[in-house]
Amino acid sequence: GQSLEQPSEVTAVEGAIVQINCTYQTSGFYGLSWYQQHDGGAPTFLSYNALDGLEETGRFSSFLSRSDSYGYLLLQELQMKDSASYFCAVMGTADYQLIWGAGTKLIIKP
Amino acid sequence: DADVTQTPRNRITKTGKRIMLECSQTKGHDRMYWYRQDPGLGLRLIYYSFDVKDINKGEISDGYSVSRQAQAKFSLSLESAIPNQTALYFCATSPTGGPYNEQFFGPGTRLTVL
Repeated sequence: GQSLEQPSEVTAVEGAIVQINCTYQTSGFYGLSWYQQHDGGAPTFLSYNALDGLEETGRFSSFLSRSDSYGYLLLQELQMKDSASYFCAVMGTADYQLIWGAGTKLIIKP
Repeated sequence: DADVTQTPRNRITKTGKRIMLECSQTKGHDRMYWYRQDPGLGLRLIYYSFDVKDINKGEISDGYSVSRQAQAKFSLSLESAIPNQTALYFCATSPTGGPYNEQFFGPGTRLTVL
């Protein structure tokens, strides 16, 4: 089967840098995605890594290493509005379904 | 205007009742999905549709059914609601041929089954 693991909660300080890790077990997938979800809101797409390496979008970066079955989301210059849950997800090549991690709640302190 | 809309936004019902959740989109996407979200479990796929004539079961389809009435409309039904179907339900869309993992979500329907 396919599964993704992420820490349930991460705490960081405003202005700092935080890394949210995602490890996965899957027989084959198209790429690793990250979504953000604020309390009471809908998930919104943040980034997609089809290939190994780092993808940067403003303050957010995402990394994938297929050989290590590992990826991470890096958030820089943290702002209070970044307080949210972050989900990693992969789409299997067999059935095109997105499989989601359980999410990491990011708590930011002033 | 919202690109993906869901109705109702909140619903309280009783065990055994039949419930329909509706989803409409103006994004012109072919692919539509229904997920449920439970605290601490992330999102789980219930059903997905890659076009009007293509319906597929997801990870947790038991107790649910769907109807794709048009490219823009995808409805989820709970045939006989039970309390463990209490959850937050999301509809999502994605374009055919686009980045495979980018999906666009509606605002969600919070369903409570008593």
